[in-house]
Amino acid sequence: GENVEQHPSTLSVQEGDSAVIKCTYSDSASNYFPWYKQELGKRPQLIIDIRSNVGEKKDQRIAVTLNKTAKHFSLHITETQPEDSAVYFCAASGGYSTLTFGKGTMLLVSP
Amino acid sequence: DVKVTQSSRYLVKRTGEKVFLECVQDMDHENMFWYRQDPGLGLRLIYFSYDVKMKEKGDIPEGYSVSREKKERFSLILESASTNQTSMYLCASSPGNRGDQPQHFGDGTRLSIL
Repeated sequence: GENVEQHPSTLSVQEGDSAVIKCTYSDSASNYFPWYKQELGKRPQLIIDIRSNVGEKKDQRIAVTLNKTAKHFSLHITETQPEDSAVYFCAASGGYSTLTFGKGTMLLVSP
Repeated sequence: DVKVTQSSRYLVKRTGEKVFLECVQDMDHENMFWYRQDPGLGLRLIYFSYDVKMKEKGDIPEGYSVSREKKERFSLILESASTNQTSMYLCASSPGNRGDQPQHFGDGTRLSIL
């Protein structure tokens, strides 16, 4: 089955800095890669996703890049703000519309 | 907006009890999923269903079963609860069978087994 590795497990940045979270996947058949943000005590919420026919996607301060050859994808957050502090999960698609999730990255943005 | 509703936010049960966790979605989604979330382990798939009365095992199905009698409702059953099943349980749903649609999550049920 699919295996997703996510790094780093924790990331501390100063407000205004950029943050990058990286994921690798094992199944070359995966074609959909969402990113979720989970604030403390709340549900995971989709923040951005990318499909395998696209190399990069941006939405305001967040962007995702995908390298199918190397089987890795990354989340980039620019001009970080304290409200960006949360746990971020990457995921890769599998059969039957399933997703395999990474173990998560706790991002802490200090004012 | 997609609404996935889990019946309880917090639940305390005793070992050996039969426990039911309920999930309802209001967007006519074909796919429904149950995960458990533990610190440092991320979200792990327990069971999923891609149609009424259909169910498939995920990565960690041992000790659990599921039921999907209606399209909008997906139940997770702990046949005989044990302390190692203390966890946060998340339900999710997604549309269609293309495999490239996001999953929408409920608020979760924090289950404690004493």
